[in-house]
Amino acid sequence: AQKITQTQPGMFVQEKEAVTLDCTYDTSDPSYGLFWYKQPSSGEMIFLIYQGSYDQQNATEGRYSLNFQKARKSANLVISASQLGDSAMYFCAMREGLRETSGSRLTFGEGTQLTVNP
Amino acid sequence: ETGVTQSPTHLIKTRGQQVTLRCSSQSGHNTVSWYQQALGQGPQFIFQYYREEENGRGNFPPRFSGLQFPNYSSELNVNALELDDSALYLCASSSTWDRGDYGYTFGSGTRLTVV
Repeated sequence: AQKITQTQPGMFVQEKEAVTLDCTYDTSDPSYGLFWYKQPSSGEMIFLIYQGSYDQQNATEGRYSLNFQKARKSANLVISASQLGDSAMYFCAMREGLRETSGSRLTFGEGTQLTVNP
Repeated sequence: ETGVTQSPTHLIKTRGQQVTLRCSSQSGHNTVSWYQQALGQGPQFIFQYYREEENGRGNFPPRFSGLQFPNYSSELNVNALELDDSALYLCASSSTWDRGDYGYTFGSGTRLTVV
């Protein structure tokens, strides 16, 4: 069973508008972490935002916020005020278990290609 | 602080050959993990190294092997290359001393083409 599902292969948004990228996950472990990464055409994975399973509040990092709905097992990324430089592939990823035991094993989704139009 | 550096950036090999990819960890990081990313897909976890030993492995055959050195840099070796091994190989470093859960720094990857 796929553990991370990103149902939007491609998304388009106008510059300065907000966009939501969807991510659902599946795990039976009560301890987990959810990540969003941006991957430009250069290939590097750029960390955007993190949400722990026990975090009470939704994570925010500048223009990025994570809409964490634990009961629905969803962790959508919201990008406010889109910029042309936001055009890239976006990946949702999950680490199951505690960092001390699971290390850096991340499970990634298939990604969403975001295009910001001027 | 330096980031994660991977070499080479691009590589073309023939089926059946062997390849070694290299990764330097970010300063202060002691754990290295490797991922394979096929075209149009998300990265897949290959394995992780901590204290020069493999301590976690994904669903990859034994012909994928690795090393971690005392300076925490790492190598990924792939023997008997197959066409399906063509992919972007990403290295990520992290630290067991980090209190934050987001301390994974990725390199820009090595793009391997097997012909």
